[in-house]
Amino acid sequence: DADVTQTPRNRITKTGKRIMLECSQTKGHDRMYWYRQDPGLGLRLIYYSFDVKDINKGEISDGYSVSRQAQAKFSLSLESAIPNQTALYFCATSDSRRDRARNEQFFGPGTRLTVL
Amino acid sequence: AQSVTQLGSHVSVSEGALVLLRCNYSSSVPPYLFWYVQYPNQGLQLLLKYTTGATLVKGINGFEAEFKKSETSFHLTKPSAHMSDAAEYFCAVSRIYNQGGKLIFGQGTELSVKP
Repeated sequence: DADVTQTPRNRITKTGKRIMLECSQTKGHDRMYWYRQDPGLGLRLIYYSFDVKDINKGEISDGYSVSRQAQAKFSLSLESAIPNQTALYFCATSDSRRDRARNEQFFGPGTRLTVL
Repeated sequence: AQSVTQLGSHVSVSEGALVLLRCNYSSSVPPYLFWYVQYPNQGLQLLLKYTTGATLVKGINGFEAEFKKSETSFHLTKPSAHMSDAAEYFCAVSRIYNQGGKLIFGQGTELSVKP
């Protein structure tokens, strides 16, 4: 089945470390997104990408960077992790060509990141 | 600007009882509306969506939602709760003409189902 996968699924790291979360998709979708989920806050958008050359900041991009290496791959980096970046991170995709306006998104299983 | 408010961060019902999860939105243009469900240790899965047309939308697992423009609401209901419905539910809104292709999510409502 076409899918959205995230690696790693769980990660514990220390303050100041650089860490990368990876997302791959086999859906053939052009748009990809990174969210973080915190209890009581829902999902908040970190970065989104409409294609390989089009990357945009979301509402909480400070402290994060992204790379769209190919249409199917979208990585999220924490250059110097801090404890308040402890959260559940989700990657999502959508297809602007077949679903131009509705923006239905398909989510990966999430990465649980703990920064000590 | 768009926003979504889910009333009640936690809802508890008995098995077989009505499920009602509330969602109100704010949007300056007609919205597209979504309900997603997140089961423990899983990603989000689309339950249902409203785009255009019929305002009563049916989704998977017996859930439905009604778009009420006058009340700016999109409440999620299910006539009879099942233990397997225990999960977190998120309401989300998107602008028709893709404001940056973004979804705005509510804070989430955790549904517990008691035997």
